Amino acid sequence: AQRVTQPEKLLSVFKGAPVELKCNYSYSGSPELFWYVQYSRQRLQLLLRHISRESIKGFTADLNKGETSFHLKKPFAQEEDSAMYYCALIFRGNQFYFGTGTSLTVIP
Amino acid sequence: DAGVTQSPTHLIKTRGQQVTLRCSPKSGHDTVSWYQQALGQGPQFIFQYYEEEERQRGNFPDRFSGHQFPNYSSELNVNALLLGDSALYLCASSRAEPNYGYTFGSGTRLTVV
Repeated sequence: AQRVTQPEKLLSVFKGAPVELKCNYSYSGSPELFWYVQYSRQRLQLLLRHISRESIKGFTADLNKGETSFHLKKPFAQEEDSAMYYCALIFRGNQFYFGTGTSLTVIP
Repeated sequence: DAGVTQSPTHLIKTRGQQVTLRCSPKSGHDTVSWYQQALGQGPQFIFQYYEEEERQRGNFPDRFSGHQFPNYSSELNVNALLLGDSALYLCASSRAEPNYGYTFGSGTRLTVV
């Protein structure tokens, strides 16, 4: 069965420090993974998807099939990065399976 | 473009009652998916509608049903409400192509008392 695990419910880093939000997945097929972000009082929005290999707001994520991971990274955290982050796996073409989320707080 | 709009934003219902939530997709989108987000949890897939039919369904009981209209808008109905149905209900729209990104609405906060 498909599963997305985000082991950290809460993560705090200082401004300017590197940040890594962990995501591990379990899926028998060829996975497509996403990161969604939810800022305070805003709706859930797409941050990035692995197939596009893009960097959004300084964040990157690399799919590691050997470790079944899709960790989200940013070299220098900013205060505006404080938000809830969800890792998501898509299967059956268009059905998302979300992790439980990590709440990131960037300390000034 | 207003994006995905959901109504109402908040709702309080009594256990055993029935509720209908509404969603208008983003312009150009023809597929609507519904998710339930309980407190402290990630969104969980309820079902998806395309061409006015339920295309996929998650692990939710038959008390959860839906509908899609010719203009692509959608409704989520929940019968015989339980306290455990209290959650944020999210609607997401997309185009039919596989793996096309979703646009989420702000959600309807349902409280069952």
